Amino acid sequence: ETGVTQTPRHLVMGMTNKKSLKCEQHLGHNAMYWYKQSAKKPLELMFVYNFKEQTENNSVPSRFSPECPNSSHLFLHLHTLQPEDSALYLCASSQVSSGTLSSPYEQYFGPGTRLTVT
Amino acid sequence: GDSVTQMEGPVTLSEEAFLTINCTYTATGYPSLFWYVQYPGEGLQLLLKATKADDKGSNKGFEATYRKETTSFHLEKGSVQVSDSAVYFCALTPGGTSYGKLTFGQGTILTVHP
Repeated sequence: ETGVTQTPRHLVMGMTNKKSLKCEQHLGHNAMYWYKQSAKKPLELMFVYNFKEQTENNSVPSRFSPECPNSSHLFLHLHTLQPEDSALYLCASSQVSSGTLSSPYEQYFGPGTRLTVT
Repeated sequence: GDSVTQMEGPVTLSEEAFLTINCTYTATGYPSLFWYVQYPGEGLQLLLKATKADDKGSNKGFEATYRKETTSFHLEKGSVQVSDSAVYFCALTPGGTSYGKLTFGQGTILTVHP
């Protein structure tokens, strides 16, 4: 399998459930990202993992908990979500340099998980 | 902070029409600029990019030129096809970052009719 894969593609969960989204990249990249795409809003960056270390948390509520066990896998653990959390959750990966100055490497996106919170 | 503004959609065109989707940005330093496309039911795909002023990115008949003086990166195509129907996102990455942090515009829906 190639590129960036995400599972499940669709998820319906109640507000008291706990679920996890999975992302896997087969590109040998060293950075991974979670984005939230809601209707009529720009894509929102949620989390960034750079060399498996979380380097950004964009004021995301604690009911979203990321995990990056290695450079190929990224999880988003969900618990006690709200209906307004219903959205398309996109994972992406890229190759970045280890220094503080780098060229901007393009991000490769997965197909997303369509989440509905009831 | 950095921001990207795209023209309001949706945009509806007939096949073979000329396409322009406007994009302007606000950023410090020297950002790199991107256009991504999202086809129905899929994730985003990089369409083209430009990394410095006056660069022209091009792919699949689409073009965009990095204009620092007008802080713009407008997307153009001379003759659109039905298969170009998708959502188009303009984005930027600030210069000098250690990872590719992308700031996106709100997206423009393009529908092309036969």
